[in-house]
Amino acid sequence: QKEVEQNSGPLSVPEGAIASLNCTYSDRVSQSFFWYRQYSGKSPELIMSIYSNGDKEDGRFTAQLNKASQYVSLLIRDSQPSDSATYLCAVKRGGYSTLTFGKGTMLLVSP
Amino acid sequence: DVKVTQSSRYLVKRTGEKVFLECVQDMDHENMFWYRQDPGLGLRLIYFSYDVKMKEKGDIPEGYSVSREKKERFSLILESASTNQTSMYLCASSSGGPNSGANVLTFGAGSRLTVL
Repeated sequence: QKEVEQNSGPLSVPEGAIASLNCTYSDRVSQSFFWYRQYSGKSPELIMSIYSNGDKEDGRFTAQLNKASQYVSLLIRDSQPSDSATYLCAVKRGGYSTLTFGKGTMLLVSP
Repeated sequence: DVKVTQSSRYLVKRTGEKVFLECVQDMDHENMFWYRQDPGLGLRLIYFSYDVKMKEKGDIPEGYSVSREKKERFSLILESASTNQTSMYLCASSSGGPNSGANVLTFGAGSRLTVL
């Protein structure tokens, strides 16, 4: 059974700090990894995708992937109150397959 | 600039009613999906479609059916609504073939269904 695990949180960080969100997955053949952000009452929106081991940076966001450890993370530098949301990790196998989502981690950034 | 449109934002139905949830996308995407989202359970895939008139069961298809007669439209049908189907329903679409690694989902705004 494919599983994606995230700490439900909430993860509380002060404004300006680095927020670190973690995700582990059970399916070793997973090939594509995504982070979605979901504000309260809104639908998820993609913020990062990563396909290769290592780091991928986009502005204040950095996704990190370690396939050997089956671990993917999202770092948010200089966290802002507007980053307060639930962050969903999603994983996809190769071939004909669909995304498997984790249950999400709630992030609270306090001013 | 809305790309995935769900016809109803809020619905209240009675047990046993037939419910239709409509979803339309204007991005010419091949793939369309229906999820439900519940507190503590996350996003769960109900049905998906990789092409017109094609459908595949997701993780929780029981009590649901779908229809995709046109590329841009994917309908979710609750044949006889039950209280345990009270949930937020999210439609999504993506481009590329089903074995595409990208499969970036674009979600609609969601339809909150309450079954009394």
